Amino acid sequence: AQTVTQSQPEMSVQEAETVTLSCTYDTSESDYYLFWYKQPPSRQMILVIRQEAYKQQNATENRFSVNFQKAAKSFSLKISDSQLGDAAMYFCALENFNKFYFGSGTKLNVKP
Amino acid sequence: DSGVTQTPKHLITATGQRVTLRCSPRSGDLSVYWYQQSLDQGLQFLIQYYNGEERAKGNILERFSAQQFPDLHSELNLSSLELGDSALYFCASSGRQGSTANTEAFFGQGTRLTVV
Repeated sequence: AQTVTQSQPEMSVQEAETVTLSCTYDTSESDYYLFWYKQPPSRQMILVIRQEAYKQQNATENRFSVNFQKAAKSFSLKISDSQLGDAAMYFCALENFNKFYFGSGTKLNVKP
Repeated sequence: DSGVTQTPKHLITATGQRVTLRCSPRSGDLSVYWYQQSLDQGLQFLIQYYNGEERAKGNILERFSAQQFPDLHSELNLSSLELGDSALYFCASSGRQGSTANTEAFFGQGTRLTVV
């Protein structure tokens, strides 16, 4: 069975500071993708960043970066220079053979 | 714009009624997924179709059914509606035809169903 666990239901960060959201997963497959999705108050699901499991280099997208630890099955998201617009629900997801497994989400609050 | 279109955007109906939600996937995507999201909850996977066939089933009630048509659009049918069925229903697509690369799921904007 494949599972994705986000152990932080809610987090807060001060504007301009850095925050890290945690995600662990379990899979017996060697070929898979990992994603972070953002769901702002509009409730649209927006892809933030993706990581191919076969790539050792951590993915980065502007202020968003991941720390991918394959052996530990850990995939955390770091948001640098947090902005008010980063306030949202963040979902970690695992994809394998066109099947997606989502974590329960972490609600991020950004304080001005 | 994700390329995934869901209609209608909003739906208000009475208990006991039946509704149909429609999803047009991103052009060329073979997989369609349906998710249910209640207020402040996570995504509950309902069902997946791949090229017209059911591929995976999640926590989908027997009152709910879905299908994917030859043109790859999909419909989710919800019947004997209850108050607890009020939620945001997402459709997502992935798996572009002719591509061996895995891709992310592209989400529609959702259909907000309110059962009164």
